[in-house]
Amino acid sequence: EPEVTQTPSHQVTQMGQEVILRCVPISNHLYFYWYRQILGQKVEFLVSFYNNEISEKSEIFDDQFSVERPDGSNFTLKIRSTKLEDSAMYFCASSGSALDTQYFGPGTRLTVL
Amino acid sequence: QKEVEQNSGPLSVPEGAIASLNCTYSDRGSQSFFWYRQYSGKSPELIMFIYSNGDKEDGRFTAQLNKASQYVSLLIRDSQPSDSATYLCAVGINQAGTALIFGKGTTLSVSS
Repeated sequence: EPEVTQTPSHQVTQMGQEVILRCVPISNHLYFYWYRQILGQKVEFLVSFYNNEISEKSEIFDDQFSVERPDGSNFTLKIRSTKLEDSAMYFCASSGSALDTQYFGPGTRLTVL
Repeated sequence: QKEVEQNSGPLSVPEGAIASLNCTYSDRGSQSFFWYRQYSGKSPELIMFIYSNGDKEDGRFTAQLNKASQYVSLLIRDSQPSDSATYLCAVGINQAGTALIFGKGTTLSVSS
């Protein structure tokens, strides 16, 4: 069964460093998403991406964040200058259409020291 | 601020019982509704989706939607210990439905 994959599973970085989180969405899906979940808190929407551009973003997704689909398979989230409060689990998701079910990857745990 | 509210629980039921999980949402224009299950340290896993008012059944799971009351529920029949997890209600918040707003989740514990 097709699934969303994410790498790395765990990333440790120093405050102020740039990180890139990688995702491979399900191959025939057209919509891609990033969510985050701070430990013990709810899953929060960051950004959605369709047709090579951002279709929607939340207040959390400020200038420190960017997304890119550098090739036909990968979808990345870059955090330019990490802060302590960026420590969270980051989930990538994909769906076949806008209203369709979003399937989540296993997540990348980001720890900012 | 668009919100999705869930009782955090824990909801404790004995094995074989029916577990009832509830969710309310604030955006009357929402069109898509999802229930995900999340085990500790894992990613959300889809249980069911529902778009229309009424009931939708899939095996032991039944989702119920009442748009007039802005209420979604999930019933789990014949609950099993393996159903013990956090259940997340998620709502598509705009016409395109691209962003999902999640509730905090209800923790279900099924005892054998």
